[in-house]
Amino acid sequence: GAVVSQHPSRVICKSGTSVKIECRSLDFQATTMFWYRQFPKQSLMLMATSNEGSKATYEQGVEKDKFLINHASLTLSTLTVTSAHPEDSSFYICSARILDSPYEQYFGPGTRLTVT
Amino acid sequence: QKEVEQNSGPLSVPEGAIASLNCTYSDRGSQSFFWYRQYSGKSPELIMSIYSNGDKEDGRFTAQLNKASQYVSLLIRDSQPSDSATYLCAVSLSGSARQLTFGSGTQLTVLP
Repeated sequence: GAVVSQHPSRVICKSGTSVKIECRSLDFQATTMFWYRQFPKQSLMLMATSNEGSKATYEQGVEKDKFLINHASLTLSTLTVTSAHPEDSSFYICSARILDSPYEQYFGPGTRLTVT
Repeated sequence: QKEVEQNSGPLSVPEGAIASLNCTYSDRGSQSFFWYRQYSGKSPELIMSIYSNGDKEDGRFTAQLNKASQYVSLLIRDSQPSDSATYLCAVSLSGSARQLTFGSGTQLTVLP
């Protein structure tokens, strides 16, 4: 149980374009999902907390107009990187929290974004 | 002061030995503690959670929590080459809406 999927696993896009990443909880409902970014040889940095049916809460320094988050249902959250630039190239990982296990987070496989 | 600190390593142990990974945290109100394993190029995988003082064992893994000293550790018995990965300590800080704060990770290499 507690399987989280992400799509796509890899994406290469040109500078200035937008990219949408989907995060799905496959066998459980997740009222809260989290989006992280990880640069090479660094730890995970929380970007935002996504709650179903409400606006996402962004961490300090994360541009909410650039990283659009939508949590439309209990099993799906999306992250859209708008007007991507090479410095946005990173490993984006989502996680989901199980309703009846309020502290454990289960991670998706991640999306490697390369902006050329 | 970092909120969650880990020795970045690398830590090398021979196959069959015990690997000991340590983590300290600064927020005394922290409630929940986790160990994640991350293979290179992959996302983290939850391997242990611990919420109260003492030891918690799961197979070859034992998590130890000491809230008074603000540290949590992970012991891996009978280490295998497949255990070679980066181990991330994560803490749910008080008043953080149950978000996790991660340490920088300890890179473990188990030598065959």
